[in-house]
Amino acid sequence: GNSVTQMEGPVTLSEEAFLTINCTYTATGYPSLFWYVQYPGEGLQLLLKATKADDKGSNKGFEATYRKETTSFHLEKGSVQVSDSAVYFCALSGSFNQFYFGTGTSLTVIP
Amino acid sequence: DVKVTQSSRYLVKRTGEKVFLECVQDMDHENMFWYRQDPGLGLRLIYFSYDVKMKEKGDIPEGYSVSREKKERFSLILESASTNQTSMYLCASSPARDNYGYTFGSGTRLTVV
Repeated sequence: GNSVTQMEGPVTLSEEAFLTINCTYTATGYPSLFWYVQYPGEGLQLLLKATKADDKGSNKGFEATYRKETTSFHLEKGSVQVSDSAVYFCALSGSFNQFYFGTGTSLTVIP
Repeated sequence: DVKVTQSSRYLVKRTGEKVFLECVQDMDHENMFWYRQDPGLGLRLIYFSYDVKMKEKGDIPEGYSVSREKKERFSLILESASTNQTSMYLCASSPARDNYGYTFGSGTRLTVV
């Protein structure tokens, strides 16, 4: 079946530090992969996506590469800001566009 | 700006009450979903719908029902609210095409006392 595993949080970083949030998946077929972000008190917003192997999704300085050989889609950012403090969810879409979400990783960036 | 609108941001209800959570989308999406979000458990799918008057159970449908009489509106119903249904409820929609992301509403934080 389909599932997503992402690293446990919470993660606390200093401003301008490098961020990696690990995400691995199990899937039948060829899913698309997504990262969503949830700011405090809000719903989830699409951050980036990749629809096939070796694709790189990017947005707002965040990047993630679809690695089929390692079944991974790790989220990275070179220099985090306080405003990046949020919960990040990795997800895959299977048949009929049904999504499977990871449990979320909370990130706090301190000045 | 496309939107998924949930009728209430915060709601407090008493145990045993019938509760309606409303969700409306203006993107003409075929698919709509209800999730609940709890600390440490992530998002869990309650119900979803691929078309008007169609509904499918998700992972945790017990104690909930849904209604989709119009394409743009998907209602979640708690038949008899209980304290273990205190949670954040998120509605989402998507087109029927594969590889499209979900658009989420801002959520309804429901407290059952």
